[in-house]
Amino acid sequence: AQTVTQSQPEMSVQEAETVTLSCTYDTSENNYYLFWYKQPPSRQMILVIRQEAYKQQNATENRFSVNFQKAAKSFSLKISDSQLGDTAMYFCAFITIKNTPLVFGKGTRLSVIA
Amino acid sequence: DSGVTQTPKHLITATGQRVTLRCSPRSGDLSVYWYQQSLDQGLQFLIQYYNGEERAKGNILERFSAQQFPDLHSELNLSSLELGDSALYFCASSAGLLGTKQETQYFGPGTRLLVL
Repeated sequence: AQTVTQSQPEMSVQEAETVTLSCTYDTSENNYYLFWYKQPPSRQMILVIRQEAYKQQNATENRFSVNFQKAAKSFSLKISDSQLGDTAMYFCAFITIKNTPLVFGKGTRLSVIA
Repeated sequence: DSGVTQTPKHLITATGQRVTLRCSPRSGDLSVYWYQQSLDQGLQFLIQYYNGEERAKGNILERFSAQQFPDLHSELNLSSLELGDSALYFCASSAGLLGTKQETQYFGPGTRLLVL
């Protein structure tokens, strides 16, 4: 079975600091895509960043970057210069090229403190 | 704004009733997915349609059904509603091209269903 594990149910960080959210996954497939989605209090699901498994270079989007370790099946999200607007639930997810439904972790609730 | 629209935003109904949730995908996207998110829970995949045909099925109850129309919008029908069906229902869409980055799913704002 394909699973995603987010081991940190809750985290907090001071404004302007850096925080890293952990994610591990399990799949027997070799070709897949990994995602981080953000769900703020409005409960909208917003795509934060995407990583193709065949790419060794870690993806970055402005203040957001990932550390993708394929052998370890690890996909952590680093948020730099944290802002109050980053307060949200963050979900790690992946999808294989064979099965299209996203598999989600249970999420990490991040609070950015002023 | 993801480009995916969902109506209605909120729905309050009683047990035993039937409701229909509607989703319009992003322009050009052929795949539509439905997910259920209960309170403080992750997202559970319900069903996927691609260009009008069912492509994948997840943990969808028999009381629930869906379809995708020729104009690519989709409807999720929930019948014989129970208290436990109260949740946020998301629709997502993607280009539907397997094996490409166009498989990225973009989510609508969701429909909040409350069953009393």
